[in-house]
Amino acid sequence: DAGITQSPRHKVTETGTPVTLRCHQTENHRYMYWYRQDPGHGLRLIHYSYGVKDTDKGEVSDGYSVSRSKTEDFLLTLESATSSQTSVYFCAISESLVAGALETQYFGPGTRLLVL
Amino acid sequence: AQKITQTQPGMFVQEKEAVTLDCTYDTSDQSYGLFWYKQPSSGEMIFLIYQGSYDEQNATEGRYSLNFQKARKSANLVISASQLGDSAMYFCAMREDATSSGYSTLTFGKGTMLLVSP
Repeated sequence: DAGITQSPRHKVTETGTPVTLRCHQTENHRYMYWYRQDPGHGLRLIHYSYGVKDTDKGEVSDGYSVSRSKTEDFLLTLESATSSQTSVYFCAISESLVAGALETQYFGPGTRLLVL
Repeated sequence: AQKITQTQPGMFVQEKEAVTLDCTYDTSDQSYGLFWYKQPSSGEMIFLIYQGSYDEQNATEGRYSLNFQKARKSANLVISASQLGDSAMYFCAMREDATSSGYSTLTFGKGTMLLVSP
């Protein structure tokens, strides 16, 4: 158990409304990630963070922003949700014991988001 | 071009038999890592096994082993003695050398659905 929780676990919202998903971890991991999972696409990286206030874009970052003001929390925001952002969102963490080491990622339980 | 290819959308196996799930990858890096994750119907992503590109021996974790053939760029997952609880989606993923920002990320395949029958 990597101590990762996501909230909410399920959300239904309307097109054009802002949505924020929260990822919380309890083990002080440095690296955190947001992925989305869609049928036929596997998991695709949205944004990731390599420290407090340090974030970078992933493969599918358009329409999403992130923030990390504390080590334990990584927030994903959809500024104006669209139906194409209906998906399952996973948060993940990893920890580098040695700089550049190829560490394993562990995933949270996921958030199911439906945008009507 | 896809970096991770899983050519089997679905696989069927009988309980207690072994099954191989295919994964091929594409990278020009010398240093990389290969991972397999399991996603049961409940939805969580469960880490199964890891193989580093410099590891000379195939990784094993209980009933899971990774058949790593570097020259062929393949990293197949072998599940021995299948159990009903092995029915799930399985994802292969690759981690390449750090990007210019200094940090590397995972690229996933599209997955293989495994069904284990009694």
